[in-house]
Amino acid sequence: QVQLVQSGAEVKKPGASVKVSCKASGYTFTRCYMHWVRQAPGQGLEWMGIINPSSGSTTYAQKFQGRVTMSRDTSTSTVYMELSSLRSEDTAVYYCARTPSTSDWYFDLWGRGTLVTVSS
Amino acid sequence: DIQMTQSPSSLSASVGDRVTITCRATQGISNYLAWYQQKPGKVPKVLIYAASTLQSGVPSRFSGSGSGTDFTLTISSLQPEDVATYYCQKYNSVPYTFGQGTKLEIK
Repeated sequence: QVQLVQSGAEVKKPGASVKVSCKASGYTFTRCYMHWVRQAPGQGLEWMGIINPSSGSTTYAQKFQGRVTMSRDTSTSTVYMELSSLRSEDTAVYYCARTPSTSDWYFDLWGRGTLVTVSS
Repeated sequence: DIQMTQSPSSLSASVGDRVTITCRATQGISNYLAWYQQKPGKVPKVLIYAASTLQSGVPSRFSGSGSGTDFTLTISSLQPEDVATYYCQKYNSVPYTFGQGTKLEIK
């Protein structure tokens, strides 16, 4: 079935990096953009950036410029989000979310989320 | 960047009530507006896209309207399963900003 399967929870120390994966299945991977959204505990949704799985091109929210890298592996239909120089404020659930096509840009499918905890 | 502001931030209503949530953009976004529902402990789910198009499988008591800068999400008859936080999101261009959310509870 159509789904996005994310990697498991992570615990990291301040200053470290984390890399979260999101494996797509059930649809043509390169026909839909993929976004990353995070949600801190008890807070709202925060858009982090977008990757075009076909070309690999990315656009990041200004807040995360220089700290986030999104990539993809078309051979495994997987996108990755790496966040570096982690601080406690980065503790959040990180979601990947798909657009239904490259011409419809809302999010119609979400992964279950990956909890990243940053703690010394 | 365009900011998205929802009101109210929280809302308590009775089963059967008509509920309206508003979302305002600081600049025009045409109809590139989606509404998401996030139930406690769950993943967000799209309800409405293109400001007024109901996502497949979403109950018809949900509706959306608006264009430009002002948008509304309406639940025509509130049900117990509608307890959730609702978010609007602009998607005309990056950044794909969300509103701060409206927490809906049953009175």
